[in-house]
Amino acid sequence: SQQGEEDPQALSIQEGENATMNCSYKTSINNLQWYRQNSGRGLVHLILIRSNEREKHSGRLRVTLDTSKKSSSLLITASRAADTASYFCATDSWGKLQFGAGTQVVVTP
Amino acid sequence: DGGITQSPKYLFRKEGQNVTLSCEQNLNHDAMYWYRQDPGQGLRLIYYSQIVNDFQKGDIAEGYSVSREKKESFPLTVTSAQKNPTAFYLCASRGQGAYYEQYFGPGTRLTVT
Repeated sequence: SQQGEEDPQALSIQEGENATMNCSYKTSINNLQWYRQNSGRGLVHLILIRSNEREKHSGRLRVTLDTSKKSSSLLITASRAADTASYFCATDSWGKLQFGAGTQVVVTP
Repeated sequence: DGGITQSPKYLFRKEGQNVTLSCEQNLNHDAMYWYRQDPGQGLRLIYYSQIVNDFQKGDIAEGYSVSREKKESFPLTVTSAQKNPTAFYLCASRGQGAYYEQYFGPGTRLTVT
């Protein structure tokens, strides 16, 4: 079963705008990770947030985690055309990752 | 793609044939994973191995088999028992510990006709 569920399924924005996507999950976790996948390629790790952390930044990325609500969000600020990809959250329970179905983001120039 | 190689990129097989997908890593990672991805969907775990000579079934292991004879290698065999084998297969590895990300290979797209 897929533990993480992303919302929205798809997102279309213009360059320079921010993109926000959410992830909800069901069971307890060690950490939550976000990955990006360009069409037909492998996944690239973006950011990992531990279960005892509430917010983390990496460049133009900001991730929040609310363990009481079992949810996380990924914010991409000042988006670029190169950010066009699918974004997946994955919950980590002792080495096993459970992926959601992803959010497909399209950034138009 | 983080030191993980998968070959070939595209693979075509006839129904009823077993096929083995290769995955090699030079990251000195103990744990390795196989996932399946279908169009518009997330990844589903097939098998994983935390250490050489040991592996566990994931969520969709039926019709697949693996071996882990070397730390660097984790081949996946898609057997004729797998009812719907056409998919994109991704291999990943990670270091030890609770706070490590997984590194993914470029994937193998398998088409069975």
